[in-house]
Parts: sequence; C-alpha cells; structure tokens
Amino acid sequence: GIQVEQSPPDLILQEGANSTLRCNFSDSVNNLQWFHQNPWGQLINLFYIPSGTKQNGRLSATTVATERYSLLYISSSQTTDSGVYFCAVSDRGSTLGRLYFGRGTQLTVWP
Amino acid sequence: DAGVIQSPRHEVTEMGQEVTLRCKPISGHDYLFWYRQTMMRGLELLIYFNNNVPIDDSGMPEDRFSAKMPNASFSTLKIQPSEPRDSAVYFCASSFLRRSRAGELFFGEGSRLTVL
Repeated sequence: GIQVEQSPPDLILQEGANSTLRCNFSDSVNNLQWFHQNPWGQLINLFYIPSGTKQNGRLSATTVATERYSLLYISSSQTTDSGVYFCAVSDRGSTLGRLYFGRGTQLTVWP
Repeated sequence: DAGVIQSPRHEVTEMGQEVTLRCKPISGHDYLFWYRQTMMRGLELLIYFNNNVPIDDSGMPEDRFSAKMPNASFSTLKIQPSEPRDSAVYFCASSFLRRSRAGELFFGEGSRLTVL
C-alpha cells in the first residue's frame, strides 16, 4: 500500500504560535484527509483535501498532489489544539474509501 | 445528523471471553470500516464493507476476529476468544461515494478494549 510519512513526530508550542505540519505520500492519491485526535481519543475530520487549498478558521491545508505532499497550518495556536494530527490518503489504485494513515504529529500547546 | 455510533465505549474482559463491538454508521453511508489503534501499530484497517458486503478483510489479524454487517445500519466486530494482545481502541467509520467528495471518512468515538 501507499506509504504516508508525517513530520515532525512531536511539536511543542506556546499558545499563540503558528505551526506547519507536513505529510508526504509515496504515490498518486485520490483522497487525502487530515484528522485531529483530541486528548479524549476522538478522531475529528479537519479537511478533505486531495488537491488545492482550504481554510477553516485558524486552520488551513494545502495539498500539492503532483509533488506528493500536504501541509496543515495552524495559526495562533490554542491549548485546545493539542492532540495528534493524522494525515490519511487513498491511492488511485485502491478502492475508494480505503485510507492509509500516517503515524501522526503529536502537538502540545502550553498556555 | 447523528454521527457514527459505537458501543460499548469501554470494555474490560478476561482472556478467553468473547467480545462483541457494535457500530451504527451514518444514515445513507454505503461504506463501513473497522480500524484498530494501538501505540505500536498506529491506526490499521481491519475490514471494510460496501453496501453490507465485506470487500477486504485482509487486515483481520486472525480467525479469532470476525465482522458482520447484516443491514445498512448495523455492524459487529467479534473477537472469540479474546487475548491480552487484542487490547486496543477499535474505531468504526463510515463514508459514502459521491462524485465530488468520494471516500470522506467519519469516525465513531471508539471502543476501548482491555483484555486481562
């Protein structure tokens, strides 16, 4: 299956700082999603973004499909942003809906 | 709209016992997935269904695991007999195929299983 690598594995920020999380993938994709797993374990959709740029409040994401990477930007971070951020992709050769997950970026935001 | 609903949220059992996890997907979704999350292996796909039919069960670890989807609104994941290494959080997720947003996945809150 497709390989998904996320960086950095860990990130510690002061409240108010900005950050960029990266997701690299090994093959062409027809689906890319970013998820946030909060400290209670819930997996929450952030973006469905197989290509292009999207913004939702303080969060935005960009996927450059031709170069096989995606970036998640968090601006003016808050303590509630803490948790693990996962990138997940579905490659063009697989059935729609089957996602391969990266190992995640553990984000800790201190007040 | 209600999201994906899983039960139980927490299960503690002894080795050798049967465990049944339940999932109700989002109404109208035609794909259902079972994932398992552990510290060692991260999130891994166990099995998925399309229109209630199992499509790929290659992620099911061994014969002790089985999954069913008797109708569009209900699925079970069963472990019999359970072992301590099965301890994990089991997530159910659903999605549906549509031209513009094929495969967007929505997760339930997970079932945390502890096998003693």
